[in-house]
Amino acid sequence: GQQLNQSPQSMFIQEGEDVSMNCTSSSIFNTWLWYKQDPGEGPVLLIALYKAGELTSNGRLTAQFGITRKDSFLNISASIPSDVGIYFCAGPYAGGTSYGKLTFGQGTILTVHP
Amino acid sequence: NAGVTQTPKFRILKIGQSMTLQCTQDMNHNYMYWYRQDPGMGLKLIYYSVGAGITDKGEVPNGYNVSRSTTEDFPLRLELAAPSQTSVYFCASTLTGAGNEQFFGPGTRLTVL
Repeated sequence: GQQLNQSPQSMFIQEGEDVSMNCTSSSIFNTWLWYKQDPGEGPVLLIALYKAGELTSNGRLTAQFGITRKDSFLNISASIPSDVGIYFCAGPYAGGTSYGKLTFGQGTILTVHP
Repeated sequence: NAGVTQTPKFRILKIGQSMTLQCTQDMNHNYMYWYRQDPGMGLKLIYYSVGAGITDKGEVPNGYNVSRSTTEDFPLRLELAAPSQTSVYFCASTLTGAGNEQFFGPGTRLTVL
């Protein structure tokens, strides 16, 4: 089946630093989604990407849909303590009608030191 | 709107016991999903439903059952709990199945001893 590989698995950074993480797949995706999960909570959608090459921002977050359609990138600028959490990439199941089903990466755990 | 709500938040079961994890959404969403989250493994789809009366298996359905008698409710049933079912369970919903945002509940943390 489809697999999404996220890198890095975890990051420890100082407040104010910029963060970059990525997600790769062996198959093509038509949609890339980036979710954040705060400790003890369910994931919340940060950014959705629908077109190869698309660059979309949400405040200090910027995500890009790779032109090969097999990867996506998420950047966080000037990190703050509340950026702590797990960041997941996700994409719709391939083949036929997906019924909204998503495949998730294993997540990047972000720790921000004040 | 309360969004997606899940009960209970925490539960400890003994091997072989059964329980139902409750999920309710008040957004009139047609599509609902159950995921489990194991450490370092992301979220795996257990079951999903595209509307009342319609359910189907996801990636890891063994040991679970679901029903969807109303648009709002999508309970997940564990019949014979096993230690391998220790996990955090999330319910999610979305209006359509076109790659739109899925809204997640706060999760149920289940431990089977």
